[in-house]
Amino acid sequence: QQQVKQSPQSLIVQKGGISIINCAYENTAFDYFPWYQQFPGKGPALLIAIRPDVSEKKEGRFTISFNKSAKQFSLHIMDSQPGDSATYFCAASTGGGTYKYIFGTGTRLKVLA
Amino acid sequence: NAGVTQTPKFQVLKTGQSMTLQCAQDMNHEYMSWYRQDPGMGLRLIHYSVGAGITDQGEVPNGYNVSRSTTEDFPLRLLSAAPSQTSVYFCASRRQGRSYEQYFGPGTRLTVT
Repeated sequence: QQQVKQSPQSLIVQKGGISIINCAYENTAFDYFPWYQQFPGKGPALLIAIRPDVSEKKEGRFTISFNKSAKQFSLHIMDSQPGDSATYFCAASTGGGTYKYIFGTGTRLKVLA
Repeated sequence: NAGVTQTPKFQVLKTGQSMTLQCAQDMNHEYMSWYRQDPGMGLRLIHYSVGAGITDQGEVPNGYNVSRSTTEDFPLRLLSAAPSQTSVYFCASRRQGRSYEQYFGPGTRLTVT
């Protein structure tokens, strides 16, 4: 079974701090790694994504760091804000013509004001 | 442009009843998927379709049927509801390709008693 392991399960950060969520994968055929943000009662929405040919991608306060040799990638939220409080999911795409997504189990982030 | 729409938003079924969860998208996306979201388990793929008339199974297909007669619609049928199917169901769509964004609907919360 292809898996994407995500940690921590929950995270509490002070306003202005850095939130870090980690994911690890097993299948070296994965070639697309998105992060989704989900607010209560809503569907997940794409936050940022990376391909394995780069080691880092930054969009505003959100950065993905990618370590191909370790098969790990992480989401960093700089200057965390209360509005960032949500559940975050990492995912990996299997490619191969079907592009199915395997999701991590999610991290519930709470940013204290 | 409504994006991905799902109906109903909430549903309660008795064990053994059948029902259809509706999903529609107006973005002319080739690829559509159904996921279920359970606490601590992330999103798991039930069925997916890469175009009208083409469907395939995901990780957890048992107890569910799908069909794709048009590009826009992708209904999910529960044949004989079981308490284990209590979950939040999300439909998603995207253009076919390696890294196109996947758009999620608002979800259907289903309870089977």
